[in-house]
Amino acid sequence: DAMVIQNPRYQVTQFGKPVTLSCSQTLNHNVMYWYQQKSSQAPKLLFHYYDKDFNNEADTPDNFQSRRPNTSFCFLDIRSPGLGDAAMYLCATSVDLAPLGREQYFGPGTRLTVT
Amino acid sequence: GQQVMQIPQYQHVQEGEDFTTYCNSSTTLSNIQWYKQRPGGHPVFLIQLVKSGEVKKQKRLTFQFGEAKKNSSLHITATQTTDVGTYFCAAYDTGRRALTFGSGTRLQVQP
Repeated sequence: DAMVIQNPRYQVTQFGKPVTLSCSQTLNHNVMYWYQQKSSQAPKLLFHYYDKDFNNEADTPDNFQSRRPNTSFCFLDIRSPGLGDAAMYLCATSVDLAPLGREQYFGPGTRLTVT
Repeated sequence: GQQVMQIPQYQHVQEGEDFTTYCNSSTTLSNIQWYKQRPGGHPVFLIQLVKSGEVKKQKRLTFQFGEAKKNSSLHITATQTTDVGTYFCAAYDTGRRALTFGSGTRLQVQP
């Protein structure tokens, strides 16, 4: 089945120790998104790739970086995680047909714990 | 940027009762999407509304898009325990080419 896969599902890192989360998709969608979701809150968009074009949200801290080496894979790098970065990180994909946009398919998420 | 307000924040109903969540924006929306997130799960797309005054139904779920395209609602008739979760509306921002999520409504259904 076509899907969005995130690895690992759970990640524990130490304060200040770089961590990378990965996302892959078999849907061949041109857009990939990274969201941060904290408990009882809505997903908050960090950035997205529209094909190869990187789009950073204005309020995304510099501590968060992303790479998309090919259509199928996208990575989220947190250079120096702080306690406030503990959250669920969701990857999503879509086939974007501007100006309307299309539904997004979410992966199961990676729960990040910072100790 | 675009903001979408969603109410109520939380609703607890008895099984069989109806449920409605509302989404409002101060600006005209190009379209609105609805997602459901089960406890411990990830958001799952339910529907997209595009046209002014549009009404769509999925079994017991009825989705509406306002005439002015500034508000939307999701109504569930005769709730079941399987309806438990958080329902998010999300507006597509054509400038950012991304969704802006509402704050969500958490639905709890008492058997």
